[in-house]
Amino acid sequence: KQEVTQIPAALSVPEGENLVLNCSFTDSAIYNLQWFRQDPGKGLTSLLLIQSSQREQTSGRLNASLDKSSGRSTLYIAASQPGDSATYLCAVGGPGLTFGKGITLSVRP
Amino acid sequence: GAVVSQHPSWVICKSGTSVKIECRSLDFQATTMFWYRQFPKQSLMLMATSNEGSKATYEQGVEKDKFLINHASLTLSTLTVTSAHPEDSSFYICSAIGDSNQPQHFGDGTRLSIL
Repeated sequence: KQEVTQIPAALSVPEGENLVLNCSFTDSAIYNLQWFRQDPGKGLTSLLLIQSSQREQTSGRLNASLDKSSGRSTLYIAASQPGDSATYLCAVGGPGLTFGKGITLSVRP
Repeated sequence: GAVVSQHPSWVICKSGTSVKIECRSLDFQATTMFWYRQFPKQSLMLMATSNEGSKATYEQGVEKDKFLINHASLTLSTLTVTSAHPEDSSFYICSAIGDSNQPQHFGDGTRLSIL
């Protein structure tokens, strides 16, 4: 059974810092890996999707990497802003997704 | 971008009531829709996978007679929680994809409270 772990559960940083959020999973037989953002009381916003054949994806200040052999992914956030404060979820598929518990990020002005 | 609409956002009802939740893909055809559930301080857990025109596939431990899923068209899937009880209180959220190479797009979720 696939298990996805995100540590730490919470993170607080000053504005402007570059961040790395980590995700690990136990079964490397995945179709893809997806990073989401969840704001309080809201649904999920897809940030990046990495197919199993890919190593990384970039969108604006975000970069996600995937190392299937070691069962790890990282989400890199450059020059963090207070608006980046949210819970970041890592999920592996698929096609149904297995989620981690998320990392709650707080970016202090 | 792809938009998934989920209704209602909140439901509060008495024990024994059946509750229907709708999930619609507004600007794309969803060949597959997924239903997830999240209990407080827990991960989102996949409940079932729904393909248009066929029976849903339920994850282990999810009662198919309790959680009825219908995916009658390429833009609509419904989840009905039958004879809901307080232990069914949770956050239910759907997602949809057009094809397997695309990201899953999620609705805003439904918070269900059974009194």
